[in-house]
Amino acid sequence: KAGVTQTPRYLIKTRGQQVTLSCSPISGHRSVSWYQQTPGQGLQFLFEYFSETQRNKGNFPGRFSGRQFSNSRSEMNVSTLELGDSALYLCASSLTNWKEKLFFGSGTQLSVL
Amino acid sequence: QKEVEQNSGPLSVPEGAIASLNCTYSDRGSQSFFWYRQYSGKSPELIMSIYSNGDKEDGRFTAQLNKASQYVSLLIRDSQPSDSATYLCAVIGKEGGSEKLVFGKGMKLTVNP
Repeated sequence: KAGVTQTPRYLIKTRGQQVTLSCSPISGHRSVSWYQQTPGQGLQFLFEYFSETQRNKGNFPGRFSGRQFSNSRSEMNVSTLELGDSALYLCASSLTNWKEKLFFGSGTQLSVL
Repeated sequence: QKEVEQNSGPLSVPEGAIASLNCTYSDRGSQSFFWYRQYSGKSPELIMSIYSNGDKEDGRFTAQLNKASQYVSLLIRDSQPSDSATYLCAVIGKEGGSEKLVFGKGMKLTVNP
């Protein structure tokens, strides 16, 4: 069974640009959640999607948005990038909700210059 | 802002010893608690989940939950060098009608042969 796939693996952007990250969950998993990981703040929850609806949301500004498609694949978008957005962005999937076991992807390492 | 606090660490134990990792949380209404292990350069993986007061054992791992004290711990018996990793405590809490998965900043464990 294929794991959670995130693309691209690495991204370099400049301030003010926008970026879109992609996540393909494990087949059959319908919940997808996104996280930002930095050395200073650790792992922080961004949002969670289920059946194409954002079900839960963390404390990030509106520049961070996401969506989920009918095949459960998800994208995360960050607009007007800031230097502080440099981080590892992780996606995780589970069958129906995150109170079950979360399976993480390898992440997208975003560098904002 | 809901918080999850872990001892700053790092923690170093000899092979075969018991490693004890602790975590406190601020949201008294939290009902779901997790321990994740993250090897350097890898994504987090779930080790244990616990939902009710008391102990839960899985092989060499025991999770302990005390909701009255808002405290959750992870014991690793017969520690092995392969247990060397960062251990993340995570708690699901509610804030503003939305559920959030809040992670501690992690405790780095080194098991010395």
